[in-house]
Amino acid sequence: DAKTTQPTSMDCAEGRAANLPCNHSTISGNEYVYWYRQIHSQGPQYIIHGLKNNETNEMASLIITEDRKSSTLILPHATLRDTAVYYCIVSAPRGNTGKLIFGQGTTLQVKP
Amino acid sequence: NAGVTQTPKFQVLKTGQSMTLQCAQDMNHEYMSWYRQDPGMGLRLIHYSVGAGITDQGEVPNGYNVSRSTTEDFPLRLLSAAPSQTSVYFCASSLGTDSYNEQFFGPGTRLTVL
Repeated sequence: DAKTTQPTSMDCAEGRAANLPCNHSTISGNEYVYWYRQIHSQGPQYIIHGLKNNETNEMASLIITEDRKSSTLILPHATLRDTAVYYCIVSAPRGNTGKLIFGQGTTLQVKP
Repeated sequence: NAGVTQTPKFQVLKTGQSMTLQCAQDMNHEYMSWYRQDPGMGLRLIHYSVGAGITDQGEVPNGYNVSRSTTEDFPLRLLSAAPSQTSVYFCASSLGTDSYNEQFFGPGTRLTVL
C-alpha cells in the first residue's frame, strides 16, 4: 500500500468548514483514497472514498488533485461531535483483501 | 440492523488463560476481520475472512485463532493470554468483492492481561 502523510493535529471552529489534507504521492493507478474517523474509544467509522473524481456524501466531500498525489477531506459545517482522529488510507478495493493500514491520522479538535 | 456487535465490552484475564471474543454482524456481509489497537497507535489486522469457511492471517496473527462457520459470526480465540495482548480489539465487516475497504466496525472489546 502507498503511504500517506497527514498533519498530526488541527483545530476548527464550530460551524466552519474543516479541511483535512492528505499526501499520497506514491499512490498506484488502481488504488483508491479512503477516509475513516475514530471518535474517542469507539470503533473507526467509514466516511468516504474516491479514485480520481471529487466525491460527496451526507457526511463529507473528498477532493482529489488531478495528479492524485494529494487529497482533502472537507467537513462543511463542523460540529463538536466531529472531534475525532481522521485517517486517510490508500488501498486497492479488491486485491488487498480489506487490509486497511491505519497510520497516526489527524486529530481534529472542533472548538466552540 | 444492529450492525457489528462485540462481546464482552471489557475483559480482564490472567496470563495463560484462554478466552473467545465474540463478533457478529446482521448485514449479510461476506468479509469480516479482527484488528487490535494499542495505545496511541493505529489498528493492525490480526485475521480476516472473505466468507464462511475461509480465513487467513493478517499482519499480527500469532497467539490468535479464528474460524468462520457462519456468515454472521467470526469469533477470535486467544489460546494462552499474554500481557502483550493487552489491547482494544475491533471486529469489522464489509460486503466484500469490490467493497472490502468500506468496513463497518464494532464498538470494541477492551482486554487487559495481567
